Amino acid sequence: EDQVTQSPEALRLQEGESSSLNCSYTVSGLRGLFWYRQDPGKGPEFLFTLYSAGEEKEKERLKATLTKKESFLHITAPKPEDSATYLCAVHPPGYALNFGKGTSLLVTP
Amino acid sequence: DTGVSQNPRHKITKRGQNVTFRCDPISEHNRLYWYRQTLGQGPEFLTYFQNEAQLEKSRLLSDRFSAERPKGSFSTLEIQRTEQGDSAMYLCASSKGQGGNSPLHFGNGTRLTVT
Repeated sequence: EDQVTQSPEALRLQEGESSSLNCSYTVSGLRGLFWYRQDPGKGPEFLFTLYSAGEEKEKERLKATLTKKESFLHITAPKPEDSATYLCAVHPPGYALNFGKGTSLLVTP
Repeated sequence: DTGVSQNPRHKITKRGQNVTFRCDPISEHNRLYWYRQTLGQGPEFLTYFQNEAQLEKSRLLSDRFSAERPKGSFSTLEIQRTEQGDSAMYLCASSKGQGGNSPLHFGNGTRLTVT
């Protein structure tokens, strides 16, 4: 069965303290791995899509990487406005994205 | 691009009542999805439309749930005989194209509370 596991569940960082979020997955026939950001009371906001091992994508302070078994979301010198829940999702064969439970990130000044 | 719109934003209902939610996708998007999210969990897939055709339903979707997308534009999700376990955020998303990898664009959801 397709599974997505995110760790840690929660992460507290000081402003400027870089770190990484992990997304481990098992899926047959991966058609894409997606990262989303979700603010409280809002829907998920698309960040990145990764398709193959070795691929990397960057946006501002965020960089996503992909291996055959996991993806990392690296946050460099985070700011308080980066506080949110970060969701990872995989696209197996079919139409649905399967989401992990997310990592809740808090960045304090 | 005005984004995915969902109404109402909040709904409080008594157990046993029927509720209906509406989703207006991004106008040029032919794919529409419904997801459900509870506190501390990621979104859980419910059903998928390509244009007006409902092509996939989660096996977890109770027969009390029904969704429609007449004319391939807006969609409605109805829950009959609501139960307290139905309390959740109901998210709608849309995407574009024939391929399977287009990113989903989500609305801000309808929060359902069943008392």
